[in-house]
Amino acid sequence: DVKVTQSSRYLVKRTGEKVFLECVQDMDHENMFWYRQDPGLGLRLIYFSYDVKMKEKGDIPEGYSVSREKKERFSLILESASTNQTSMYLCASSDIAGGYTDTQYFGPGTRLTVL
Amino acid sequence: AQKITQTQPGMFVQEKEAVTLDCTYDTSDQSYGLFWYKQPSSGEMIFLIYQGSYDEQNATEGRYSLNFQKARKSANLVISASQLGDSAMYFCAMRAVMEYGNKLVFGAGTILRVKS
Repeated sequence: DVKVTQSSRYLVKRTGEKVFLECVQDMDHENMFWYRQDPGLGLRLIYFSYDVKMKEKGDIPEGYSVSREKKERFSLILESASTNQTSMYLCASSDIAGGYTDTQYFGPGTRLTVL
Repeated sequence: AQKITQTQPGMFVQEKEAVTLDCTYDTSDQSYGLFWYKQPSSGEMIFLIYQGSYDEQNATEGRYSLNFQKARKSANLVISASQLGDSAMYFCAMRAVMEYGNKLVFGAGTILRVKS
């Protein structure tokens, strides 16, 4: 069965802290994604990784960085957390394009609050 | 650029009745894909159904069907025989091509509440 896990369901951090959000998938997928979900805006892509150490900026990369040292693990980093980064963060993975749907499978999400 | 519009912020439906959730899209691509996801209060996004732009038949998956009208650029989700467990947020999304892969562009979502 498809499985994407995220390290924390809820996280509370202080302004200026460095924050790591971890995501692991067990489907041997090539692609991994970090989205941010805000009310009324749906989900917006922060970063995408198509291979180990390879990444592409999404729609809202400012204030974030990512790391993919192993195929199954994709980390989102907030170098200096700010209150406007309080949000729900969702990780997803998918197989390479060329499959019928390249459907993305999501983790349970991390609700981050920055005080 | 691709855009998804979901005009219904919230919907109510009586248990066992059918409900239609609206989705319109905008794209200049000839080939594209449309997805519906369900997000219960637990937060996880659950894939429901997919429709390719060249698929001749409307997609169906159990109680879910996608009413795809290409000329109108709409991809409405129909849930038949609603159940209490269908209460959730529903997102329509479209595949968008990036340089090295594909991302999803999401609408704002529709909250569905099923009444007993």
